[in-house]
Amino acid sequence: SQQGEEDPQALSIQEGENATMNCSYKTSINNLQWYRQNSGRGLVHLILIRSNEREKHSGRLRVTLDTSKKSSSLLITASRAADTASYFCATPSTGKLIFGQGTTLQVKP
Amino acid sequence: EAQVTQNPRYLITVTGKKLTVTCSQNMNHEYMSWYRQDPGLGLRQIYYSMNVEVTDKGDVPEGYKVSRKEKRNFPLILESPSPNQTSLYFCASNLSPTGSTEAFFGQGTRLTVV
Repeated sequence: SQQGEEDPQALSIQEGENATMNCSYKTSINNLQWYRQNSGRGLVHLILIRSNEREKHSGRLRVTLDTSKKSSSLLITASRAADTASYFCATPSTGKLIFGQGTTLQVKP
Repeated sequence: EAQVTQNPRYLITVTGKKLTVTCSQNMNHEYMSWYRQDPGLGLRQIYYSMNVEVTDKGDVPEGYKVSRKEKRNFPLILESPSPNQTSLYFCASNLSPTGSTEAFFGQGTRLTVV
């Protein structure tokens, strides 16, 4: 089952611009995680935000969490060509992570 | 360096020929799992293991087996592969079985069954 739904499915921006992607989920969560996947490669953990947190920063990444709306957003500021990848939100469930379908981000140099 | 290592990275095989994809982690994690990734279907869990000798089915376990004889290794076994098992496979490990910490993923195994 797919708990997370991400929006948009694809995003194309110029280098230096900001990129925002959104994730909605269905059930109560303890935390929400964001991962990046370069084409055909493994997923890399970016950031974990707990249910009692509203915002979290890591370098050029800013994640927000609104538990009342069951949604989260990932903002990448001052994007670079190397940020080109797919981004997934994931929520933990019994024994597993449930991933959204992902947002494919293309950053043009 | 903390890592999850999968082998092989690429594999082409024929229907019915048993194969094993290995997975090893060096972080002493108790929790490990296998996912497959397919276009339009996203990442789906195949099997997971909470500890040595403890394994359980995920969402799509049919056609797969796993074993957990040692903490660091969690191989995925396809006894009789079929074309619908053509997919990109990922092994993952986590310090916490409840998902309260980050998961570490292997680089993936792209399997083609002809």
